[in-house]
Amino acid sequence: GENVEQHPSTLSVQEGDSAVIKCTYSDSASNYFPWYKQELGKRPQLIIDIRSNVGEKKDQRIAVTLNKTAKHFSLHITETQPEDSAVYFCAVERGDYKLSFGAGTTVTVRA
Amino acid sequence: DVKVTQSSRYLVKRTGEKVFLECVQDMDHENMFWYRQDPGLGLRLIYFSYDVKMKEKGDIPEGYSVSREKKERFSLILESASTNQTSMYLCASSIRQGEAFFGQGTRLTVV
Repeated sequence: GENVEQHPSTLSVQEGDSAVIKCTYSDSASNYFPWYKQELGKRPQLIIDIRSNVGEKKDQRIAVTLNKTAKHFSLHITETQPEDSAVYFCAVERGDYKLSFGAGTTVTVRA
Repeated sequence: DVKVTQSSRYLVKRTGEKVFLECVQDMDHENMFWYRQDPGLGLRLIYFSYDVKMKEKGDIPEGYSVSREKKERFSLILESASTNQTSMYLCASSIRQGEAFFGQGTRLTVV
């Protein structure tokens, strides 16, 4: 199946600093790359997504970049706030339409 | 506005029991998924269905089966529960290249 690798597994940042999470994938037919945020005890929820015809997408303090040639994409959070503390998952919709997830990054924003 | 509902939040079953986990979505989505979530391993795909009566194995299907008799309902079956199937199980639904909506999860303990 699709191999989605996500780094780092944990990330601690000072409030106001930026956070970057990177993911790589193996299926070159993949066309859809969402990011999910899971707060403690809650279900994962979509925060941003990007499709293969776009290289970058931004939504307020969150941005995602995609490099299809290198098969990697990244999540950027600027001006981090305590409410950004959560587990973040990258995901890839494979050529066979299955949705595969990375192992997750636990982000802690220090006040 | 609950969109994906799992039948149980917590379950405790004995080794060897047959276990049914039910999931219902009200968004008329074609795709439905079953994942298990374990610390450090992220969300791993067990089974996927892209239409009624259609199912495909995910990355870790061993010990599980599924049923999709109606578009809105996707059931996960553990034929003979084992202790290594103790986990959080998450159901999700989506359209192709669209946001996946998750249920609240079922924490299954097999003793």
